[in-house]
Amino acid sequence: DIQMTQSPSFLSASVGDRVTLSCKASQNINKYLAWYQQKLGEAPKLLIYNANSLQTGIPSRFSGSGSGTDFTLTISSLQPEDVATYFCLQHNSWYTFGAGTKLELK
Amino acid sequence: QIQLVQSGPELKKPGESVKISCKASGYTFTDYAMHWVKQAPGKGLKWMGWINTYTGKPTYADDFKGRFVFSLEASASTANLQISNLKNEDTATYFCARATPTGHWFAYWGQGTLVTVSS
Repeated sequence: DIQMTQSPSFLSASVGDRVTLSCKASQNINKYLAWYQQKLGEAPKLLIYNANSLQTGIPSRFSGSGSGTDFTLTISSLQPEDVATYFCLQHNSWYTFGAGTKLELK
Repeated sequence: QIQLVQSGPELKKPGESVKISCKASGYTFTDYAMHWVKQAPGKGLKWMGWINTYTGKPTYADDFKGRFVFSLEASASTANLQISNLKNEDTATYFCARATPTGHWFAYWGQGTLVTVSS
């Protein structure tokens, strides 16, 4: 089974900061990685698919990069509404989610 | 527009069963598999498996073999998740989710159904 490791588990940042979240796969998953944002009490919301493609309607401050085993989600300028937990999902071999990064405002 | 609407919250006792529904609209139900995802309170997401909405064949992830059953009411564009012999650790929000025409990531999600198991 493919394991997904996200870091950090918690992140505190200020409005306007550039924020970088990491997701590492236990084996090569090519570019079969998606990023989701989940706010309390809501379903996950797709942000990025195929590692670096921005989902329609998602602000351009969100971007994804990486391939193989190492992936990154970047928020170029953090906004208050970005407070949420962020999950990565590999779909190269069945499906595995990362444990999530909880993003808070400083 | 594409929507997945799930049934409401459930409160059950250990040993009981529960059935959650996920009604799809805005697309041809049998064109896309339906997936199920578990999220325990304060925890991450875990893929439970999927059901082929054309053939009705379910596939379960290893941790969800035995007490979990995926089924369909295709005429009603509805997928169901039944959990039998409920345990405290089944307390969670359960989501149905659908992939896209161009890839296997989940672009569409139900709103989630909270199942609470407590004596």
